[in-house]
Amino acid sequence: GAVVSQHPSRVICKSGTSVKIECRSLDFQATTMFWYRQFPKQSLMLMATSNEGSKATYEQGVEKDKFLINHASLTLSTLTVTSAHPEDSSFYICSAPPGTGRRTQYFGPGTRLTVL
Amino acid sequence: GENVEQHPSTLSVQEGDSAVIKCTYSDSASNYFPWYKQELGKGPQLIIDIRSNVGEKKDQRIAVTLNKTAKHFSLHITETQPEDSAVYFCAASITGNTPLVFGKGTRLSVIA
Repeated sequence: GAVVSQHPSRVICKSGTSVKIECRSLDFQATTMFWYRQFPKQSLMLMATSNEGSKATYEQGVEKDKFLINHASLTLSTLTVTSAHPEDSSFYICSAPPGTGRRTQYFGPGTRLTVL
Repeated sequence: GENVEQHPSTLSVQEGDSAVIKCTYSDSASNYFPWYKQELGKGPQLIIDIRSNVGEKKDQRIAVTLNKTAKHFSLHITETQPEDSAVYFCAASITGNTPLVFGKGTRLSVIA
């Protein structure tokens, strides 16, 4: 199946700092990528949709100035958590639908963010 | 918007028995229903999916059924093995290329 990678897999940072998470589609191009957040023992919740060449769209309640998304190319989307606080500690997971011909969705391995 | 309910939240079965997880959805526009398996600390892994033009799909020990009229779909795992132990999520979306709405998950424990 299609492969989606994320980097880093784990990050620990101090409160107030910014953290960048990368999501890459390795063997296909993705004009759209989705960013989800998963708190411990909870389900995945969509945060935003990343669109190559245009602005991301954010779900209600997600601060666009805090969670900056840049879809730099057809294989790379980045999520930057700015001025991170302990309540931002979570598991961040991206997904990418391969597009035409393969209408399904593959997830990256996730990034565990811990804000001290 | 779409709302997906999933039951049970936890399920324990003896090795070799079958496991069934059920989900309901609210948006009749949804046409794509995948199931994911998530192990601790890892991203969700797609195990099977079904689209609204099909009522049932099977892949070895795993099967999914869909009743679009009643808006519910189910995952069936037969001959369960300890390595099937994980959290399983159902999801729904309009197409495979649109955002997924997830159920709350089912923690399956297969007891050897």
